[in-house]
Amino acid sequence: DTEVTQTPKHLVMGMTNKKSLKCEQHMGHRAMYWYKQKAKKPPELMFVYSYEKLSINESVPSRFSPECPNSSLLNLHLHALQPEDSALYLCASSQDPQAGGPGNEQFFGPGTRLTVL
Amino acid sequence: GDSVTQMEGPVTLSEEAFLTINCTYTATGYPSLFWYVQYPGEGLQLLLKATKADDKGSNKGFEATYRKETTSFHLEKGSVQVSDSAVYFCALHGNTGTASKLTFGTGTRLQVTL
Repeated sequence: DTEVTQTPKHLVMGMTNKKSLKCEQHMGHRAMYWYKQKAKKPPELMFVYSYEKLSINESVPSRFSPECPNSSLLNLHLHALQPEDSALYLCASSQDPQAGGPGNEQFFGPGTRLTVL
Repeated sequence: GDSVTQMEGPVTLSEEAFLTINCTYTATGYPSLFWYVQYPGEGLQLLLKATKADDKGSNKGFEATYRKETTSFHLEKGSVQVSDSAVYFCALHGNTGTASKLTFGTGTRLQVTL
């Protein structure tokens, strides 16, 4: 299995809702990432998990809460979002969390398109 | 800090034309370099990579050579197809201790017409 899967594909939520995005990989990768991508822009890194521990938080507002229950699964819990949080949320994984290692390319999922009303 | 500069788009070409998308970078040490492609409504797909100077990455007719002397990683294809229409991102892989971090260029939209 060489895929990163994400669910749901689309999500519409109100500003008072609580929802979660899910990401899964079965490639044995030990680093997992959340990115946010606005239209016509490159992805922006939000969080990095390395060996199931949060290693990077790019000053993301607390209304986004990541969770890594095991080495294959990554969640992003959403609460009290704002309309400006509407974007494509991408998950990625890489084999080797150590930069410079041979397995450092990141593999991306198809994304969840989030709309906040 | 690390940065990647890509040529502005959109780039519009006729089918079978030659493609070049320029990419230059600024980084300390010896970063790995990547090209990702994003088709409409989809996530990013790794197109090719190079991990050291003078390496040539290639895939699906696309090529890019890691040029340390010019800090460049230009993407080329000899004959584009309509199906190549997408956004192309150049990226480099930096080091932030225990976890890897990609730095992306702004992306270049390619439109190929018949």
